[in-house]
Amino acid sequence: EDQVTQSPEALRLQEGESSSLNCSYTVSGLRGLFWYRQDPGKGPEFLFTLYSAGEEKEKERLKATLTKKESFLHITAPKPEDSATYLCAVQAPSSASKIIFGSGTRLSIRP
Amino acid sequence: DAGVTQSPTHLIKTRGQQVTLRCSPKSGHDTVSWYQQALGQGPQFIFQYYEEEERQRGNFPDRFSGHQFPNYSSELNVNALLLGDSALYLCASSFLGPPEMEQFFGPGTRLTVL
Repeated sequence: EDQVTQSPEALRLQEGESSSLNCSYTVSGLRGLFWYRQDPGKGPEFLFTLYSAGEEKEKERLKATLTKKESFLHITAPKPEDSATYLCAVQAPSSASKIIFGSGTRLSIRP
Repeated sequence: DAGVTQSPTHLIKTRGQQVTLRCSPKSGHDTVSWYQQALGQGPQFIFQYYEEEERQRGNFPDRFSGHQFPNYSSELNVNALLLGDSALYLCASSFLGPPEMEQFFGPGTRLTVL
């Protein structure tokens, strides 16, 4: 069964303290891996799509990487406004058009 | 360019009632997906509509039904509401072409069932 697991569930960092969020997945033939940011009470905001192992994408203080079994979202010198829940999701041929989400990592950045 | 819009923002219903949620996709998008998100969980796929047909369905009972209109907007209907249906309902739109599954989400409708 296709599955997505994110860790840690919650992460508290000091402003400027870099770290990484993990997303491990078990799918048969990954078609795409997605990262979203979600603020409380709002819909997820699209960040990145990764398609193949070795691929990397960057946006401001965020960098997403992909291997054959997991993806990392690296946050460099975070600011309080980076506080949010970060969701990872995958699409596999076995699930056709369905996207499977992990439970997310709640990131809190203290000033 | 307007993004994905959803209405209403909040809704309170009682058990056994029926509810209809609405979604307008982002301009240029032709595919609409619906998700249910319980507190502290990731979104769960309900179903997807393309060309006014249900393209795929997740593990949700038949009480959950939908519709897509010729202008690509969509409705989600839930009958015989249960307390467990309380959640944030998210609509996401995409274009059925490369990159196929880059979905953009609306702000959601918060449904509370009492």
